[in-house]
Amino acid sequence: DTAVSQTPKYLVTQMGNDKSIKCEQNLGHDTMYWYKQDSKKFLKIMFSYNNKELIINETVPNRFSPKSPDKAHLNLHINSLELGDSAVYFCASSPGGRNYQETQYFGPGTRLLVL
Amino acid sequence: GEDVEQSLFLSVREGDSSVINCTYTDSSSTYLYWYKQEPGAGLQLLTYIFSNMDMKQDQRLTVLLNKKDKHLSLRIADTQTGDSAIYFCAEKRAGGGNKLTFGTGTQLKVEL
Repeated sequence: DTAVSQTPKYLVTQMGNDKSIKCEQNLGHDTMYWYKQDSKKFLKIMFSYNNKELIINETVPNRFSPKSPDKAHLNLHINSLELGDSAVYFCASSPGGRNYQETQYFGPGTRLLVL
Repeated sequence: GEDVEQSLFLSVREGDSSVINCTYTDSSSTYLYWYKQEPGAGLQLLTYIFSNMDMKQDQRLTVLLNKKDKHLSLRIADTQTGDSAIYFCAEKRAGGGNKLTFGTGTQLKVEL
């Protein structure tokens, strides 16, 4: 069983389109995250939700809107896609969201290419 | 990643030890992590260390932490071809919730 899954695995689309990436975790975790990894492999957090509540919101264009319908799902919707949005987007989850050690488990990534 | 730096590449021979280094700037780090990313895959946690520890050993992996110099290293003993991957260090800062700040990543290449 896949712990953290993302769909789609690959996404190729035209500039200006709107697209969504979905993430699901079956670990029973309360906290989920979206990270962006650029072409230089630089990895940076975008958002985090704890039990459907937004707790981390980094400096991300408001074209990016996360949505958490329940604590097992965190989706990422991107409006008006730009060339610079091309990257690998990773979803992750962790047990609680409290300020002590807890491992984040990563999904396999969604490779987005904007043409 | 701008506050957490790693060298970009490391090449070793199979059977040798690999040492991957990481420097960070925030003295409020509580936990420091090492993740491995294989080609086309997500990140896999290898090990972590609490900031009041100097060393942690886990089978072939040894983590050393010099908090005074803000320097973290990962030593892989008897490096194998399957260890070829990108290795990321990451820090969790006090008051930052569960946010991880990742390093720039080190590409490890293991040659026969």
